[in-house]
Amino acid sequence: DGGITQSPKYLFRKEGQNVTLSCEQNLNHDAMYWYRQDPGQGLRLIYYSQIVNDFQKGDIAEGYSVSREKKESFPLTVTSAQKNPTAFYLCASSMGGFQPQHFGDGTRLSIL
Amino acid sequence: GDSVTQMEGPVTLSEEAFLTINCTYTATGYPSLFWYVQYPGEGLQLLLKATKADDKGSNKGFEATYRKETTSFHLEKGSVQVSDSAVYFCALSDARRASGSRLTFGEGTQLTVNP
Repeated sequence: DGGITQSPKYLFRKEGQNVTLSCEQNLNHDAMYWYRQDPGQGLRLIYYSQIVNDFQKGDIAEGYSVSREKKESFPLTVTSAQKNPTAFYLCASSMGGFQPQHFGDGTRLSIL
Repeated sequence: GDSVTQMEGPVTLSEEAFLTINCTYTATGYPSLFWYVQYPGEGLQLLLKATKADDKGSNKGFEATYRKETTSFHLEKGSVQVSDSAVYFCALSDARRASGSRLTFGEGTQLTVNP
């Protein structure tokens, strides 16, 4: 079955450490997205990519970095510069245009 | 910029009650509109969509009509079930923007249905 796989499901970060969240899709979608969700709030866009080797900052990109070397993969690195990284992170993909986005099951990141 | 406003929650209903979750939007272009549902600990699932004015999206007994004159996309269901308990998000996408198909989300409405 086609879908989006996020790993790990739970992740813990120590102070000063960078961590990388994985997102893989086999839907042959061109566009991929990373969102952050805080308790009781909506989703905020971190980064998005419409094509391989290209990506743009979203609304809250500071303290995060991404790469898009393959169409299927869009990993997100939470750097030590992100001072409040505890949140639920969601990856999504779409064909672009007006097509809906499809979401993975998320990664919950906490601070040790 | 684009924005989406949802009715505040949480909403608590008894089984078989009628559901309305209000959603209004502000957009400079001609957006597509979506409702997503999130069950505890999971990602978002597309519930329904509408791409132009007067379109009605429907799925699993839920409906929403794209009303351009009132810039609204209210979610309705005639008879809710316990299994409908979840968080519901209204969202819009304006692909004419240079940013492509990014979504703007409302803050979500928590629905709890009691037996």
